[in-house]
Amino acid sequence: DIQMTQSPSSLSASVGDRVTITCRASQNIRNYLNWYQQRPGKAPTLLIYAASNLQSGVPSRFSGGGSGTDFFLTINSLQPDDFASYFCQQGYSFPRTFGQGTKVDIK
Amino acid sequence: QVQLVQSGGDLKKPGASVKVSCRASGYTFTSYAIAWVRQAPGQGLEWMGRLSTHNGNTNYAQKFQGRVTMTMDTFTSTAYMELRSLTSDDTAVYFCARLNVRRLGMNREPQNWFAPWGQGTMVTVSS
Repeated sequence: DIQMTQSPSSLSASVGDRVTITCRASQNIRNYLNWYQQRPGKAPTLLIYAASNLQSGVPSRFSGGGSGTDFFLTINSLQPDDFASYFCQQGYSFPRTFGQGTKVDIK
Repeated sequence: QVQLVQSGGDLKKPGASVKVSCRASGYTFTSYAIAWVRQAPGQGLEWMGRLSTHNGNTNYAQKFQGRVTMTMDTFTSTAYMELRSLTSDDTAVYFCARLNVRRLGMNREPQNWFAPWGQGTMVTVSS
């Protein structure tokens, strides 16, 4: 199975900050990488697919990139709605696997 | 709008089975596969498998092989996930999600991602 490792596991930030979360795959997954946001008690929602494609309706302050084994999710100018957990997920091989998550909370 | 609505939470005893439903609306049910993902309390997301809604084929995570069955009713646009021989380790929120598949760029294999997700079904296993 492909292991996905996110860092950091948690971070504290302020409204307006720029935040970057990284995700590393245990093997080359090309650009088969998706990012999800999950607010407490809610289902995940898709932010980014295929490493860098913004899902329709997602604010442009979210961006993603990377390929191979190293990927990132950046949130420019953090908004109150963005305090949540974020998960990466590989779509390269079965079983699909997720990172352990990064919780972004208010400093 | 595209929506997945799941059945309500359930309390089960160890050794029992649970069957969670996921009703789709707003799109052609048989055009997209359905994936099942679970999340234990305070933990991350775990992919359980997927159901191809156009032919009923399934692909299960090895961890759940022999204990999970994913089925569907195309007349009601509903997918089901049954998990048997429950233990306390199966206490989790179970999500269904539509699997989107699209060829992008020069990759041989299509990209794939989960969207939207159902609201989740809490399954508690306790004696």
